[in-house]
Amino acid sequence: QVQLVESGGGVVQPGGSLRLSCAASGFTFSSYGMHWVRQAPGKGLEWVAFIRYDGSNKYYADSVKGRFTISRDNSKNTLYLQMNSLRAEDTAVYYCAKDRDIVATIFDYWGQGTLVTVSS
Amino acid sequence: AIQLTQSPSSLSASVGDRVTITCRASQGISSALAWYQQKPGKAPKLLIYDASSLESGVPSRFSGSGSGTDFTLTISSLQPEDFATYYCQQFNSYPPITFGQGTRLEIK
Repeated sequence: QVQLVESGGGVVQPGGSLRLSCAASGFTFSSYGMHWVRQAPGKGLEWVAFIRYDGSNKYYADSVKGRFTISRDNSKNTLYLQMNSLRAEDTAVYYCAKDRDIVATIFDYWGQGTLVTVSS
Repeated sequence: AIQLTQSPSSLSASVGDRVTITCRASQGISSALAWYQQKPGKAPKLLIYDASSLESGVPSRFSGSGSGTDFTLTISSLQPEDFATYYCQQFNSYPPITFGQGTRLEIK
């Protein structure tokens, strides 16, 4: 069965960096687009970034563009999110999610999420 | 960016009730819409894709309809496990992919 397991969350000071990982199993990772979606405490869902199946195209929300970088290693079945220049408003649970397609459409499987807290 | 507006933002209903949640897009998105259910402390779960297609394993009491700018999610007969927050999401035009603000469905 499809499994997505995020790791790398934690507490970081404003201006700091963090790298999230998402280990995928149960499907052919290299055949699907992947996303990061976040949810601030008590708030709704916010899409963060998408990467095509082969890493050839990447898209970002305006709120993270220039600070976050999505990447993938298809040989390791792992998705990454490098987060730099973190702000208090980046505090959220970060979910990795599998797309049903090679391009960005819908999220058919989600991980359990990893909490990122940006605080001094 | 395409904005999605859900109504109502919250809703109280009883087991057995028929419930309808609406999602309106700020511009036409064809049928490029999905619905998700999220329970507290859990990841969202896909219910409906392409506006009206039921995801495998999702009970048939859930249904979706609409195209263009107006969409609905209907639960035909509420069950205790259906009390949750529901989100619509569009993928017609991106970036960004956008979600509605959510509809919290509570027990009356």
